[in-house]
Amino acid sequence: EVQLVESGGGLVKPGGSLRLSCAASGFTFSDYSMTWVRQVPGKGLEWVSSISSSSSYMFYADSVKGRFTISRDNAKHSLYLQMNSLRAEDTAVYYCARDGGGYYDRFDYWGQGTLVTVSS
Amino acid sequence: QSVLTQPPSVSAAPGQKVTISCSGSSSNIVNNYVSWYQQLPGTAPKLLIYDNYKRPSGIPDRFSGSKSGTSATLGITGLQTGDEADYYCGTWDSSLRGVVFGGGTKLTVL
Repeated sequence: EVQLVESGGGLVKPGGSLRLSCAASGFTFSDYSMTWVRQVPGKGLEWVSSISSSSSYMFYADSVKGRFTISRDNAKHSLYLQMNSLRAEDTAVYYCARDGGGYYDRFDYWGQGTLVTVSS
Repeated sequence: QSVLTQPPSVSAAPGQKVTISCSGSSSNIVNNYVSWYQQLPGTAPKLLIYDNYKRPSGIPDRFSGSKSGTSATLGITGLQTGDEADYYCGTWDSSLRGVVFGGGTKLTVL
């Protein structure tokens, strides 16, 4: 059974940093691109960042470029999102998702999400 | 303001059919596959449709997808109260070099 479990969310002050993790199981992690999507409670989905299966390609939304870094450790079956210079508008539930098709257009499994709150 | 445009809400009676539109442009919908996601209250999104019209295993054939030009459409027939959810379209945008989602459509089954 495919499982994605996010962790690392919490309360952080503006300007602070946080590292999110996503532990994957039930599939060959190194075969799949992975993505972070966030959602402000009560609002729509916003794509954050994607990474190819071998980390050769990384993509970022303009809203996080230069502040967030996506990475992965295929040996540990884990996806990460390092978030620096956090702002109030980064407050959201962050989901990791598996890219089922390899072209960043089909997210077939999602984690349960981890809440990040940026507030003083 | 989302790159892909969806109606904020749609509604229909149980047993009826509803369609949800997703409007984009040549840099996203025209040249890339569209997916649709269902998000029930308090849960993570779930893939409903991929590659414009394909259904993952376990998704009933009451759900269908289509694409024409700069627009995609999700259709749901035989509406059930359990279909009440937010629905999102998504695809890759070749100009932005990123994933884009619609703003979401809230389906109410009256």
